[in-house]
Amino acid sequence: QVQLQQSGPGLVKPSQTLSLTCAISGDSVSSNSASWDWIRQSPSRGLEWLGRTYYRSKWYNDYAVSVKSRVTVNPDTSKNQFSLQLNSVTPEDTAVYYCARKNTCGMDVWGQGTTVTVSS
Amino acid sequence: DIVMTQSPDSLAVSLGERATINCKSSQSVFYSSNNKNYLAWYQHKPGQPPKLLIYWASTRESGVPDRFSGSGSGTDFTLTISSLQAEDVAVYYCQQYCSTPYSFGQGTKLEIK
Repeated sequence: QVQLQQSGPGLVKPSQTLSLTCAISGDSVSSNSASWDWIRQSPSRGLEWLGRTYYRSKWYNDYAVSVKSRVTVNPDTSKNQFSLQLNSVTPEDTAVYYCARKNTCGMDVWGQGTTVTVSS
Repeated sequence: DIVMTQSPDSLAVSLGERATINCKSSQSVFYSSNNKNYLAWYQHKPGQPPKLLIYWASTRESGVPDRFSGSGSGTDFTLTISSLQAEDVAVYYCQQYCSTPYSFGQGTKLEIK
């Protein structure tokens, strides 16, 4: 059974960097059939896909245009996990952040969610 | 980018009655190469992550009750709950996973009448 366990701070100051980690059990971040994605939810934006990392003989990333200049999703093969970094945060980045596994059937496994508040 | 639009925004249905939620994509999410629609439906309850209900527009995820069904092709899709149960109260989202950015509908809040 595949599980994703999120970790990271729930409070980030404006202009600082939001950093979250998603630990994978039951699958590999280097899977050739999945991608590892970050999604957030806020009342103003609904569910918003942020970006992904995936391995197909080499590593690839895709990012949403809305955050592309500020976001990085990185794999960590030594720990079988992946991370989200969002720079220069503002209160508009306040949201519940989810990691998820995406395969050919959609996003079938999700992390538990992390509520992140951007406030001084 | 593909824009997903759901209707209605909210819906109140009596227990045991049918609930129908619609989803429209701004571009086709059908791939003729494998005859698949890259459209998924999720159920989202407060305090929980979204749960995958339906993929390929009409295939139920393992363990999902058969009162949930999906239909449609191309740009127009429907999620139907044939006989509403109390535990079905949630927000439902459609999502296209045809191309990035993977986009979600705005959500439909389903309540008991």
